[in-house]
Amino acid sequence: DVKVTQSSRYLVKRTGEKVFLECVQDMDHENMFWYRQDPGLGLRLIYFSYDVKMKEKGDIPEGYSVSREKKERFSLILESASTNQTSMYLCASSLSAEQYFGPGTRLTVT
Amino acid sequence: QQPVQSPQAVILREGEDAVINCSSSKALYSVHWYRQKHGEAPVFLMILLKGGEQKGHDKISASFNEKKQQSSLYLTASQLSYSGTYFCGLSRGGSQGNLIFGKGTKLSVKP
Repeated sequence: DVKVTQSSRYLVKRTGEKVFLECVQDMDHENMFWYRQDPGLGLRLIYFSYDVKMKEKGDIPEGYSVSREKKERFSLILESASTNQTSMYLCASSLSAEQYFGPGTRLTVT
Repeated sequence: QQPVQSPQAVILREGEDAVINCSSSKALYSVHWYRQKHGEAPVFLMILLKGGEQKGHDKISASFNEKKQQSSLYLTASQLSYSGTYFCGLSRGGSQGNLIFGKGTKLSVKP
């Protein structure tokens, strides 16, 4: 079974803090994705990566950056967290078409 | 541009049927369907790769109409376990599986 794990299920941070969300997959997938999920807005792509050290902006990259130093790990970074970044963050990985999602991190910025 | 899903929400009794539609203003390469149960991660249901293709999974099937730039998900004789939010995702092209998802359709099946 493919497993995608995320470092925290719940996280509370203060405005202005630097926040790291970690995602690890164990199936040697080349493609990895970060989404945020907000009620009524669906899943919106923040960044994706199709290879180590490669990254592409998604639909809402502002305020975020990513890092992929190893194939299995894809990190999402909030350089200076703001309250409008309070959301559910989902990581996914894929080999080709089917995406496998992690359980999500619910981030609250106060 | 996000695909448009309709309806936004639907409530069914067990055994009833439902159709969820996914429309795009752009040409479709492929359509992917996912279901997310409450408090869980989205799970892949099926992918439709070419126009007119219909796929099925148990009593859940889908069609893909290239001309209309639309896909429909059919849930037949719904079960309680079908409850959740259904998302369609449209491929942006390329081999990386990069999708743009709709806003979702919340399906509630009552006993």
